[in-house]
Amino acid sequence: TQLLEQSPQFLSIQEGENLTVYCNSSSVFSSLQWYRQEPGEGPVLLVTVVTGGEVKKLKRLTFQFGDARKDSSLHITAAQPGDTGLYLCAGEPNFGNEKLTFGTGTRLTIIP
Amino acid sequence: NAGVTQTPKFQVLKTGQSMTLQCAQDMNHNSMYWYRQDPGMGLRLIYYSASEGTTDKGEVPNGYNVSRLNKREFSLRLESAAPSQTSVYFCASSEMGQGIQPQHFGDGTRLSIL
Repeated sequence: TQLLEQSPQFLSIQEGENLTVYCNSSSVFSSLQWYRQEPGEGPVLLVTVVTGGEVKKLKRLTFQFGDARKDSSLHITAAQPGDTGLYLCAGEPNFGNEKLTFGTGTRLTIIP
Repeated sequence: NAGVTQTPKFQVLKTGQSMTLQCAQDMNHNSMYWYRQDPGMGLRLIYYSASEGTTDKGEVPNGYNVSRLNKREFSLRLESAAPSQTSVYFCASSEMGQGIQPQHFGDGTRLSIL
């Protein structure tokens, strides 16, 4: 089973600060997704990255897929309370395999 | 547009009892999934269905059974509940297509086994 480790597990920072969370594996993934989950709800897709080295921006969020397609990062600029939530990465082990491997999650709290 | 609907939202069972978690989607998706979420472990796939009439085991299938009743509905059954099955259960659906597709999740069923 391919594993995705996320770090840090918990992160609490002040509003306006920048942060980066990481998603790492020893295995290669065909593509990778990032989801955000709020309390009492299911995860919601933020982005999909499919090419090694790919960088995608979603407003203040920047997602990067590692060159070797084994890792990914999420950088948030000027964090806001609305960014609070559980961030999950999910990798596609093989192209066309619809069974995702989910990471362990980073629980982010932005303090106003 | 309801998306993915799970019932019930909360349930408390005694060890050994059985129950079925229901899931329905209205997005005409072919693929459906059942996950469990435990603290510090992300989401783990229990069972998966690529289409009506087909099911496949995921990472943690022991103690569970599933039924893909039709294209809309995918149910998860616990035949004899155990405390280790205390968890939050999520159902998801996705389109089939070239490459990875977004998974759309329900709001979960919070299940406690005493």
